[in-house]
Amino acid sequence: RKEVEQDPGPFNVPEGATVAFNCTYSNSASQSFFWYRQDCRKEPKLLMSVYSSGNEDGRFTAQLNRASQYISLLIRDSKLSDSATYLCAVARSGYNKLIFGAGTRLAVHP
Amino acid sequence: EAEVAQSPRYKITEKSQAVAFWCDPISGHATLYWYRQILGQGPELLVQFQDESVVDDSQLPKDRFSAERLKGVDSTLKIQPAELGDSAMYLCASSLAGGAVRVTEAFFGQGTRLTVV
Repeated sequence: RKEVEQDPGPFNVPEGATVAFNCTYSNSASQSFFWYRQDCRKEPKLLMSVYSSGNEDGRFTAQLNRASQYISLLIRDSKLSDSATYLCAVARSGYNKLIFGAGTRLAVHP
Repeated sequence: EAEVAQSPRYKITEKSQAVAFWCDPISGHATLYWYRQILGQGPELLVQFQDESVVDDSQLPKDRFSAERLKGVDSTLKIQPAELGDSAMYLCASSLAGGAVRVTEAFFGQGTRLTVV
């Protein structure tokens, strides 16, 4: 089993839709969680950190569920410009090893 | 805004040749990561430095890959000899936190796209 798993998608949604992605992690010692956005052939860019209490930034909301060992990303009012691959990243305690999932592709259409 | 610098942006090399990539992390960032990303997959951690020390290289193919961060600042990743399967994007990232503390956000450079022919 992979340490960090994501549904590869693609998620095809119309503009204005709400879409949610989940990311599961296998190591219960994980303590830091992030969502990154990656455009085609570009580097990943930090979208947001995921805190125990959740985190909201405009149209984006991230949640952590420690009991079930997953994090989620909710995008409200999707824009065409949200089309990208969304990567989750998880780090364990100790020496900060940051592990990425394979990413979930989102395609927002008019 | 501080950035992670990588060079070259693109590299085409012949099979069995040597190739090297360079990374300069954000100033003050103790942790430096090298990742390899094949198209359609997530970044795979190759090596992680804490200052000048390697703290994880479990996924680094050590028969052909080497990495160093001699002064705890910039870093070089080398492949010798390159193989066709090494064609990928090589990404460098850095983060502020050091040691056994909570991980802080990692920021990526633009990457080096390697093509082995």
